[in-house]
This record gives sequence, structure tokens and C-alpha cells, in this order.
Amino acid sequence: AQKVTQAQTEISVVEKEDVTLDCVYETRDTTYYLFWYKQPPSGELVFLIRRNSFDEQNEISGRYSWNFQKSTSSFNFTITASQVVDSAVYFCALIIGGANSKLTFGKGITLSVRP
Amino acid sequence: DVKVTQSSRYLVKRTGEKVFLECVQDMDHENMFWYRQDPGLGLRLIYFSYDVKMKEKGDIPEGYSVSREKKERFSLILESASTNQTSMYLCASNGEAAGTGELFFGEGSRLTVL
Repeated sequence: AQKVTQAQTEISVVEKEDVTLDCVYETRDTTYYLFWYKQPPSGELVFLIRRNSFDEQNEISGRYSWNFQKSTSSFNFTITASQVVDSAVYFCALIIGGANSKLTFGKGITLSVRP
Repeated sequence: DVKVTQSSRYLVKRTGEKVFLECVQDMDHENMFWYRQDPGLGLRLIYFSYDVKMKEKGDIPEGYSVSREKKERFSLILESASTNQTSMYLCASNGEAAGTGELFFGEGSRLTVL
């Protein structure tokens, strides 16, 4: 069975601070995909990134960066110079490769960025 | 842009009522999903479908059923609503084989059962 753990439930930072959201996953499969989604106050989840298990290269997209480490089964997300618009619930998710697989979400981290 | 449209943003129903939550996507996606979101529990999969007239149980299917008569439409049915089904319901779709691609979500339907 697969599992995603987001140990942090709520984080509050002041604007311009850097913040890292942690994600730890469990799976016995060697082929899997990891995701991060953002859910702003409007409610609609927005896709941020997908990473497959064979690609451990870190990724940077503007102020966002992701650190994927198979050795620690972690896929952490860092926001640099946070802004108020980053306030949202962030979900990490995992799906294994293969037919009819199910995406498993973590419980989410509520990030509040104060001006 | 892919659009996933859920028919109602907010619903209030009474215990025992039959409830239909409709979801339509406009990108010809094969895969559609229904999740419920509750505080502290994250998103939990209720049912999913990889093809028309096909359905698979997710992690919490009890008390729910689904219908997929057309590729673009995936309906969630609460045969007899109960107060513990008060929740935010999220529909999603994707077009990649085995469902490993990016999910596109609707805005959610917040259901209150009195």
C-alpha cells in the first residue's frame, strides 16, 4: 500500500520569508509519480509539478523549487521569498505506475503568508 | 484550457434525500474521479472511472454510487444522504493512460446534509 505523509499541518510565515513544505512517501513500487497541488481559498486544486521515480533531478520554477530524494523518500517543496498570494493549502500526492492506479494524497499543509 | 465543471457549488439537503452531483469535462479525458475533502483528512477517493460505463471503487465508496453514461460526464449519487456525508466534493479528470498524469479539478461542491 502507498502512503503520503505531510507532517506539518499549518505553517505561518511573514512575507518574503522562505518556507519549505515537507512530503514523505511510502511505496514498494519502483515506478511511481509524485505531485504537488495548490488549493487557494477559491477551492480549485491547481497542479504544480509531477516527478517520476526515475528522475531525481531537482526542479526550479521561479520562486518554487522541489527537492526529490529517493534515499529518504521525500519530495519537499520550497517557496522562496513568499508572497501573500502563496497562502493556500498544499497537497503532495503519489501514484504508482500501472493500470488503474489510484492517486493517494497527503492531508495537506495550510500555508499562511502574512504581509 | 481544460475545464471541469461541477453543477453546484453549494447544496443543502435533508437526511434521507437522494443527491446527484454532476461533473462535466470538456477535454475528452478518459479518466474521471470523485474525491471528498474533509478538514484534517485531506482528499479521499470515492470512485473513479477509466472509461464510459466503467467504474471502480476508491477508498471510501460506502454510501455512494456513480454513473458514467457519456465520456464527458461523471455523476456522483448519494442514494440516501446522511449527516456524515456533509463535505466538500471534488471532481477531477485526466487524459493520460493509467491515470498517472496531471489531474484537472473542478471548483468543488460543498454539500451540507441536515
